[in-house]
Amino acid sequence: ETGVTQSPTHLIKTRGQQVTLRCSSQSGHNTVSWYQQALGQGPQFIFQYYREEENGRGNFPPRFSGLQFPNYSSELNVNALELDDSALYLCASRTGGLGEQYFGPGTRLTVT
Amino acid sequence: GENVEQHPSTLSVQEGDSAVIKCTYSDSASNYFPWYKQELGKGPQLIIDIRSNVGEKKDQRIAVTLNKTAKHFSLHITETQPEDSAVYFCAEGDFNKFYFGSGTKLNVKP
Repeated sequence: ETGVTQSPTHLIKTRGQQVTLRCSSQSGHNTVSWYQQALGQGPQFIFQYYREEENGRGNFPPRFSGLQFPNYSSELNVNALELDDSALYLCASRTGGLGEQYFGPGTRLTVT
Repeated sequence: GENVEQHPSTLSVQEGDSAVIKCTYSDSASNYFPWYKQELGKGPQLIIDIRSNVGEKKDQRIAVTLNKTAKHFSLHITETQPEDSAVYFCAEGDFNKFYFGSGTKLNVKP
């Protein structure tokens, strides 16, 4: 186990709704990244937070937003859900700089 | 990921044989090249990584090579075992972004 936890494990939402996913980083890690992994695909980088500020973003629209808290836990918020948002959402934490990312088990989101 | 191409998408080898997975990338600013193993129902787990100032790195049965000029890097697994069966991802990035390949499903037949 990596020490990174995510909640909930599974979630079913309806198109147009909003969802919040949560991630608890490994102790001592001040950087968290979020990824979207569609079935059979590689993880796609959504964004990264370092010390509560977003400092990197992939090719995702503004309806994907996030927060990082002083204890370095974080949230991923998705507004106006679309069917294509159905995927496994992974968070990964690490210390600042280049180095190993520790992934959580993911949250499986299904949009109907 | 859009910046990383990974081949092959599936690879089947006999136990004891070697497996090679290759990736190419386009962003010359990338400095970090990790490889991940993902088992069913779990998040990716780092198995080896290499930085741009190094050409080769080895850890027991696993090795990675990097050619920055040609913008490609490879994962080599020797003496494969059934427990090596999983999906493997390459990735490339820098301090504030990471892009993954589309994955290689490795099947090691006993």
